[in-house]
Amino acid sequence: SYELTQPPSVSVSPGQTARITCSGDALPKKYAYWYQQKSGQAPLLVIYDDDKRPSGIPTRFSGSSSGTLATLIISGAQVDDEADYFCYSTDSSGNHFVFGTGTKVTVL
Amino acid sequence: EVQLLESGGDLVQPGGSLRLSCAASGFTFNNYAMTWVRQAPGKGLEWISSITGGGGRTYSADSVKGRFTISRDNSRNTLFLQMSNLRAEDTAVYYCAKEKELVVGPTIFDWGQGTLVTVSS
Repeated sequence: SYELTQPPSVSVSPGQTARITCSGDALPKKYAYWYQQKSGQAPLLVIYDDDKRPSGIPTRFSGSSSGTLATLIISGAQVDDEADYFCYSTDSSGNHFVFGTGTKVTVL
Repeated sequence: EVQLLESGGDLVQPGGSLRLSCAASGFTFNNYAMTWVRQAPGKGLEWISSITGGGGRTYSADSVKGRFTISRDNSRNTLFLQMSNLRAEDTAVYYCAKEKELVVGPTIFDWGQGTLVTVSS
């Protein structure tokens, strides 16, 4: 079955840049979505269609995709950005949808 | 404002059945595909099933195929998940989610707050 692989954890100091990667064989032809999930809360969309930011999401969140790797970038990370982050996409058939393994971001 | 309110979560015995509902408001329901996602305690997100805006096409994960059925009633702005032959590994918070458009993406834009299903004897 199709898999999207993320690093289990990323640590960054306040004000620095955090990069979270998502690796999948179908990503060259399929969009990646990114969600932030804080403890005890529902997920929140932060990036869609690889690099688009929904209204209300701070500009420090950005996304990119190249080849089999999609990347979520948090520029100038804040303590409030501490959360789990998940990528989301589909396999090459477009009929099965998969979340990434998830990355815990720590800002300290 | 998009609102998605799940209900129906409960404690159920292994082999039992349960139906989850998701009441939608704040948007034209039949114009959007809908999806169920679950999250086991302390684990990541797992896509379960999706349905197009008109209800004519559905998609399901292999882990639930043949046991779970997604459906919708566009006249009542409500999404359903009928679950049968439940197993302990189905224990999770189940989220209702709204897609970006009529067809399934995957393009989840909005999420409900979730409802807890516990499968245990």
